[in-house]
Amino acid sequence: AQSVAQPEDQVNVAEGNPLTVKCTYSVSGNPYLFWYVQYPNRGLQFLLKYITGDNLVKGSYGFEAEFNKSQTSFHLKKPSALVSDSALYFCAVSHPGAPGGGNKLTFGTGTQLKVEL
Amino acid sequence: ETGVTQSPTHLIKTRGQQVTLRCSSQSGHNTVSWYQQALGQGPQFIFQYYREEENGRGNFPPRFSGLQFPNYSSELNVNALELDDSALYLCASSPVSGGYNEQFFGPGTRLTVL
Repeated sequence: AQSVAQPEDQVNVAEGNPLTVKCTYSVSGNPYLFWYVQYPNRGLQFLLKYITGDNLVKGSYGFEAEFNKSQTSFHLKKPSALVSDSALYFCAVSHPGAPGGGNKLTFGTGTQLKVEL
Repeated sequence: ETGVTQSPTHLIKTRGQQVTLRCSSQSGHNTVSWYQQALGQGPQFIFQYYREEENGRGNFPPRFSGLQFPNYSSELNVNALELDDSALYLCASSPVSGGYNEQFFGPGTRLTVL
């Protein structure tokens, strides 16, 4: 079975400082990894994904994430946080051979990011 | 390009009733997935439809069922509602089935079961 862990319920960072939101995963075989962001009373918005290739992937709004196979991690990063980045962030994994279908996304429990002035 | 839309926005039902939620996929997308997001939790995969057939299902009982229509829009039906069914129901579409494409989510339907 595939699973995702986001060990921090909340991350606080000052505007202008770098931010990291942590994610580790468990899956048999090669994973497809995703980050989504959710604003209050809104659906999820796609930020970035890792499928194959370069371990550092860049996404929307200046976010990037690094795939680390040995540590089974896919941490989300941004060099300089903005107050408008404050939202709920979800890491997700899918796998072609997953029970339930290859399109099945398994999400973590989410990390609330709070960026303060 | 029209994004994923869902209706209704909010819904209140009582235990034992049945509910139908609707989703219009993004233009050009033939795969629709449904997720349940309970308060304070990540979304949980319910099932996926590809070309009008269910081709993946999560750990949900049979009273959760769905349909996909020729225009790729979709319905989620829940029978015999229980209090624990109260959640945000999210629909997501993608251009193909395969797991490597990002899914585009609608704003969700907030279901409250009393």
